[in-house]
Amino acid sequence: SAVISQKPSRDICQRGTSLTIQCQVDSQVTMMFWYRQQPGQSLTLIATANQGSEATYESGFVIDKFPISRPNLTFSTLTVSNMSPEDSSIYLCSVDGSGQGVGEQFFGPGTRLTVL
Amino acid sequence: AQSVAQPEDQVNVAEGNPLTVKCTYSVSGNPYLFWYVQYPNRGLQFLLKYITGDNLVKGSYGFEAEFNKSQTSFHLKKPSALVSDSALYFCAVRDGGTYKYIFGTGTRLKVLA
Repeated sequence: SAVISQKPSRDICQRGTSLTIQCQVDSQVTMMFWYRQQPGQSLTLIATANQGSEATYESGFVIDKFPISRPNLTFSTLTVSNMSPEDSSIYLCSVDGSGQGVGEQFFGPGTRLTVL
Repeated sequence: AQSVAQPEDQVNVAEGNPLTVKCTYSVSGNPYLFWYVQYPNRGLQFLLKYITGDNLVKGSYGFEAEFNKSQTSFHLKKPSALVSDSALYFCAVRDGGTYKYIFGTGTRLKVLA
């Protein structure tokens, strides 16, 4: 299994500002994923980040709002831009355990974001 | 389109009793099915998966799940519940042709002492 850390663990931000969330994995992985979990709800995939290529965004999520970087095989960042209270959520990164996109995913502890 | 349904928002069970958390799915190809648990203020922890093979799969912490193709179900079970099992449980499906997960809405399990 992979060990994943995220920074920050939580933050309170003002409307209109941006926050960058970091995700660090203890091993090299091809596929990393970013999810959003709104209060009391399920997880929604934001985008898939592969090293060396542009992130692939899901319907309803755009690069201008959620830019992602993937500079190497152990690290990724997600930026939540021009935040509004509706962006208040837990943001989780995950990696695929099989390395081939077919196994279980391992999740970081999450970043709890509150936008005022 | 792929979908996962967890029909119960909450399940209450007495400690020592068997527990079942329900999950049904809909996929176009072969299903890859997963269960995760989320404790308060923590990320998701992988419990078990069904990819192929035996319909009864065993996972972490004494949990098991039964894959039923005809009923398109993948219910999570445990013979004897513990108070420490109280958490939020998510079922997820991955279509065999893609890497994307679809998560259910989650079921909050409360084990009463």
